[in-house]
Amino acid sequence: EAQVTQNPRYLITVTGKKLTVTCSQNMNHEYMSWYRQDPGLGLRQIYYSMNVEVTDKGDVPEGYKVSRKEKRNFPLILESPSPNQTSLYFCATHSGYNEQFFGPGTRLTVL
Amino acid sequence: SQQGEEDPQALSIQEGENATMNCSYKTSINNLQWYRQNSGRGLVHLILIRSNEREKHSGRLRVTLDTSKKSSSLLITASRAADTASYFCATASGAAGNKLTFGGGTRVLVKP
Repeated sequence: EAQVTQNPRYLITVTGKKLTVTCSQNMNHEYMSWYRQDPGLGLRQIYYSMNVEVTDKGDVPEGYKVSRKEKRNFPLILESPSPNQTSLYFCATHSGYNEQFFGPGTRLTVL
Repeated sequence: SQQGEEDPQALSIQEGENATMNCSYKTSINNLQWYRQNSGRGLVHLILIRSNEREKHSGRLRVTLDTSKKSSSLLITASRAADTASYFCATASGAAGNKLTFGGGTRVLVKP
């Protein structure tokens, strides 16, 4: 079954404590992205990756890092989280000019 | 910044009625996609229409695209209570459609 998995699904942390949200896909897609969703602002793209070791900034990359060392994994790293990064995060994957497949989401709260 | 603006922001209809929502965007696109989201859960892809297409159907869904007006519409016919959700349009641009920009969404409530 085609899947995009994210872990953890829920996380409460404190300001400044580094964290990583993992994302994995089993569809062998080249492209992966991270989005955040905030009330009234919709979904905004944070970073995307076109293949292993190839990443680029989306619309709201400040405060985030990503890496793509393997095709199936695309972790999102918050080196020093702040309360304004409290949000619902989605990982997605796609191939070519086609629809994106989204993970179940990670609800992050930064105190 | 949001490429797509959706209208209306919220819609309440009776089961069996049709629901129509519109999306406008600002720049050129590869394709436009519609997604559904149930109450803070993951997004489910509904339909994709490419920039050279004008209309597309999938089951009870009908999507139109007018690139001259930079607008799209999603019609859900014979709505059901299970269609209650938020609906988002998203425009794909850039290499391989990597840059996906979402509208603010339309919240649809279908009353039984």
